[in-house]
Amino acid sequence: GQQLNQSPQSMFIQEGEDVSMNCTSSSIFNTWLWYKQDPGEGPVLLIALYKAGELTSNGRLTAQFGITRKDSFLNISASIPSDVGIYFCAGQLSGGTSYGKLTFGQGTILTVHP
Amino acid sequence: DGGITQSPKYLFRKEGQNVTLSCEQNLNHDAMYWYRQDPGQGLRLIYYSQIVNDFQKGDIAEGYSVSREKKESFPLTVTSAQKNPTAFYLCASSIENEQYFGPGTRLTVT
Repeated sequence: GQQLNQSPQSMFIQEGEDVSMNCTSSSIFNTWLWYKQDPGEGPVLLIALYKAGELTSNGRLTAQFGITRKDSFLNISASIPSDVGIYFCAGQLSGGTSYGKLTFGQGTILTVHP
Repeated sequence: DGGITQSPKYLFRKEGQNVTLSCEQNLNHDAMYWYRQDPGQGLRLIYYSQIVNDFQKGDIAEGYSVSREKKESFPLTVTSAQKNPTAFYLCASSIENEQYFGPGTRLTVT
């Protein structure tokens, strides 16, 4: 099936640093979502984006829906140890037959050193 | 307290046995989904249901079956035909385009 290219695959940072990750696709998406997954748990929805160019914040997290509708970015400011986990992007392809279905990126593994 | 529950958290089965994973939601969501996650990998869609008594195959439906007799429930059966059933299974439900996940069931088949 359709895949999203999520990068980087992993990040090792010091506490207090800012983090950036992104997802790109060759297809147009009408929704972008960002999730965080802790080990052994289900993903938790962090931010949902619905309009091209939209910039949305949730605490120290900020995500943007790319203007081309083919990419999205997630930034985490001033990282803390509890930010550790796997971050997934997900998008819904433009088109009626794909209603409700999401395409997921492969995930970015974030490690924060105290 | 609204949410999605999956049980059990850990499940062990012998090869050749069918096993059913439970997923229940009290969020009044119409759509429900089953995903499989392998170590270090993303989520792959097994089956999804947009309404009661209707469901569609996802990207990796072979060896799996589902039913949707009630809005709240979407059980997944992993059959003996599934060649590599050991994985982490996640259930989700959605409102509009936002999917919300349960805590997952880790299935180990030996």
